[in-house]
Amino acid sequence: DTGVSQDPRHKITKRGQNVTFRCDPISEHNRLYWYRQTLGQGPEFLTYFQNEAQLEKSRLLSDRFSAERPKGSFSTLEIQRTEQGDSAMYLCASSFWEFRDRAGGELFFGEGSRLTVL
Amino acid sequence: AQKVTQAQTEISVVEKEDVTLDCVYETRDTTYYLFWYKQPPSGELVFLIRRNSFDEQNEISGRYSWNFQKSTSSFNFTITASQVVDSAVYFCALSATGGFKTIFGAGTRLFVKA
Repeated sequence: DTGVSQDPRHKITKRGQNVTFRCDPISEHNRLYWYRQTLGQGPEFLTYFQNEAQLEKSRLLSDRFSAERPKGSFSTLEIQRTEQGDSAMYLCASSFWEFRDRAGGELFFGEGSRLTVL
Repeated sequence: AQKVTQAQTEISVVEKEDVTLDCVYETRDTTYYLFWYKQPPSGELVFLIRRNSFDEQNEISGRYSWNFQKSTSSFNFTITASQVVDSAVYFCALSATGGFKTIFGAGTRLFVKA
């Protein structure tokens, strides 16, 4: 199956450490999104890429967060100097966007990477 | 600003009951899409349906039906004859031309008891 895959699925780290998550989208998809989900809440948008270009970043994404999609395929989300408030599920999603689809298509999500900061 | 409100935090029903999940949205865009996603206990969000703002026809898919009313900015989701496997968190979402990102509501957790 060629769904969206995320790695690692779980990460426990100590406050102040850096962590990196990887997302491999569905291969035909040209858009890749990162969301964050905390307990009892809906996914919150962090950032998205169209091919390799990062087109929008949420104000939630502090300077400690950086995302890349170097060749327009997989993406990484790095959190530097983690804080306990960063504990959440980090979700990656991909979609196929065409110009005529101006408002965007459905998202295909991975299983998420759960981060626990001690 | 865009916003999605799901006022029902949790709903509990007995199997075979019908249940409606409410969704109210806000956007200034004239072109937008509305979505419903399901997040079962296993955690992965699964797409259920997309409607565009120009199509107010209701849709039925098996036991699922959706009622889109622009006049009240609502996009409600009804499950007929609910089953235990329907137990999950359901999210309503909005994507508009203004930002190209999808905004999610807080979700409604549905418990279906046998």
